[in-house]
Amino acid sequence: QVQLVESGGGVVQPGRSLTLACAAAGFTFSNYAMHWVRQAPGKGLEWVAVISYDGTKKNYADSVKGRFTISRDNSKGTLYLQMNSLRVEDTAIYYCARDVEIVIISWWLDPWGQGALVTVPS
Amino acid sequence: SSELTQDPGVSVALGQTVRITCRGDSLRIYYASWYQQKPGQAPILVIFGKNDRPSGIPDRFSGSSSGDTASLTITGAQAEDEADYYCNSRDSSGEHLVFGAGTKVTVL
Repeated sequence: QVQLVESGGGVVQPGRSLTLACAAAGFTFSNYAMHWVRQAPGKGLEWVAVISYDGTKKNYADSVKGRFTISRDNSKGTLYLQMNSLRVEDTAIYYCARDVEIVIISWWLDPWGQGALVTVPS
Repeated sequence: SSELTQDPGVSVALGQTVRITCRGDSLRIYYASWYQQKPGQAPILVIFGKNDRPSGIPDRFSGSSSGDTASLTITGAQAEDEADYYCNSRDSSGEHLVFGAGTKVTVL
């Protein structure tokens, strides 16, 4: 079945970097746009970034633009989120999610991974 | 404006109908989608597009839209429907996603 598994979360000091990975299985990864969404502890959902099926189009939330980079390796079926200059307010569970439609970006997200916790202590 | 506004919480008696609303200027242009999130779990998509449900989502979930307001209706709410529900949509630029703050649905 379709499965997304995030990895790479952990505790990282402010100003440092961390890279998350999302391994996809059960579908043709290279056909779908992919998203990252985060959720701070006890808070709501915040969209972070999207990458098109072929990696040529990338968009970011203003809160992470210039610090985070979304990328993908279609040969490995893996999505990445490189996070630089991390801040306390970046503390959150980071979810990867597949776009619903093939090739185009529909902006509808299904399914989601189980999430990876990133903690940036004050 | 790129904000989406949801009521913080709503309660519904078991078997009754509840409607959750989401308001924002971008909803005049783009459809909302709706996500259900239970404690400790990842969100799942329940409604997208005009009124589409992913496979496995019960037909008691339905969506509608009018002007700047999108709605999610649960007809015949079940105990397992108790969860947080988030709407989202593209923002006015069309290049970003925005989520509402979420509505906590309590089934009495």
